[in-house]
Amino acid sequence: ETGVTQTPRHLVMGMTNKKSLKCEQHLGHNAMYWYKQSAKKPLELMFVYNFKEQTENNSVPSRFSPECPNSSHLFLHLHTLQPEDSALYLCASSLTSGALQETQYFGPGTRLLVL
Amino acid sequence: AQTVTQSQPEMSVQEAETVTLSCTYDTSESDYYLFWYKQPPSRQMILVIRQEAYKQQNATENRFSVNFQKAAKSFSLKISDSQLGDAAMYFCAFRSVDKLVFGAGTILRVKS
Repeated sequence: ETGVTQTPRHLVMGMTNKKSLKCEQHLGHNAMYWYKQSAKKPLELMFVYNFKEQTENNSVPSRFSPECPNSSHLFLHLHTLQPEDSALYLCASSLTSGALQETQYFGPGTRLLVL
Repeated sequence: AQTVTQSQPEMSVQEAETVTLSCTYDTSESDYYLFWYKQPPSRQMILVIRQEAYKQQNATENRFSVNFQKAAKSFSLKISDSQLGDAAMYFCAFRSVDKLVFGAGTILRVKS
């Protein structure tokens, strides 16, 4: 379970705070993903990066800002969040984002609470 | 638009028995993959099994098998000889060239 790591594991922030979530993968993959997991809702794909380039943004509000400095690291910068943004944020990686059959490897997630 | 529906929010199964989790999807595409992922409590999500749409034969991985009905757009997961370690949230997912869509998940509880 150490292939994809996420920090912090838990985060509580106020609506005016700025914080960042970090994801790191040690699998030699080239694609990385951010997901939002809310209770009783489908897992929502937020962003996809392939070879450090953003290839997908699923209409995510601008208060979420991703950054992918290299294929091993992915960040999600948070600012002026709303209480409804409270959720489990999952990071995943795969060899590339192009092949349909590729398995995604997930991190343990960051449990975010916005007060 | 592609959607994935898991109609069972929660399921229970007795240890050593068999349980089937349902998943239906909606798409107009012909080339795609379907996946079942497992998310144990406080642990990372992992792949359980996957199925290519062009393959008629149902995928099998040890105690896990699928019933893939392409015409009905159904992709159920059967867990045989259920074990306590199978207790988890199970997500069905659809992947095509343009889309990667997950269902809302089914919580599986295993009773000893």
